[in-house]
Amino acid sequence: QQQVKQSPQSLIVQKGGISIINCAYENTAFDYFPWYQQFPGKGPALLIAIRPDVSEKKEGRFTISFNKSAKQFSLHIMDSQPGDSATYFCAASMTSGNTPLVFGKGTRLSVIA
Amino acid sequence: DAGVTQSPTHLIKTRGQQVTLRCSPISGHKSVSWYQQVLGQGPQFIFQYYEKEERGRGNFPDRFSARQFPNYSSELNVNALLLGDSALYLCASSFNWGAQYFGPGTRLTVL
Repeated sequence: QQQVKQSPQSLIVQKGGISIINCAYENTAFDYFPWYQQFPGKGPALLIAIRPDVSEKKEGRFTISFNKSAKQFSLHIMDSQPGDSATYFCAASMTSGNTPLVFGKGTRLSVIA
Repeated sequence: DAGVTQSPTHLIKTRGQQVTLRCSPISGHKSVSWYQQVLGQGPQFIFQYYEKEERGRGNFPDRFSARQFPNYSSELNVNALLLGDSALYLCASSFNWGAQYFGPGTRLTVL
């Protein structure tokens, strides 16, 4: 049973464009939703995270939008740059129950000039 | 500040052998988690330790074991290696429940 579904599997965006990656979760007890960026041969790096008490969080060019009723959250990368080309993973966990992160399958982003 | 460190970086073993992977968490972090990442997939949870006690275990066989030391570093052991154990093994540390910071991983290849 996949608890976090991520789409699209791959994404090609023009430099300067907006990259949008979506995730849907099933467990309503999840209360922590991070996004990770992973370059080839490297470990995932925490990019930005959100909790259900807010609908949006912005850090620089990265924004998480959260829709609790739809059980969906998304990552928006504004002004996408070639250096943003990487694999992005959404994840979820229940911090109150100290449960581990459950990851989506990842989205491979390619930003082309 | 030093991030999460893992050793070795790469490892090649043959089927049936045993392997030990090591992790040092970020200073001040008392929780360490281990994940397995197969190529093209998201990380899968193996173990979590907090204050030297096992706090969670994923759906992995008993060939996988781990421990956490008094200095909060951790080891992951895998016995009787199978070809399917080939993966990137990631260690993550956290201060409290929530933000987990990953190390660079250990690439294990089983031949």
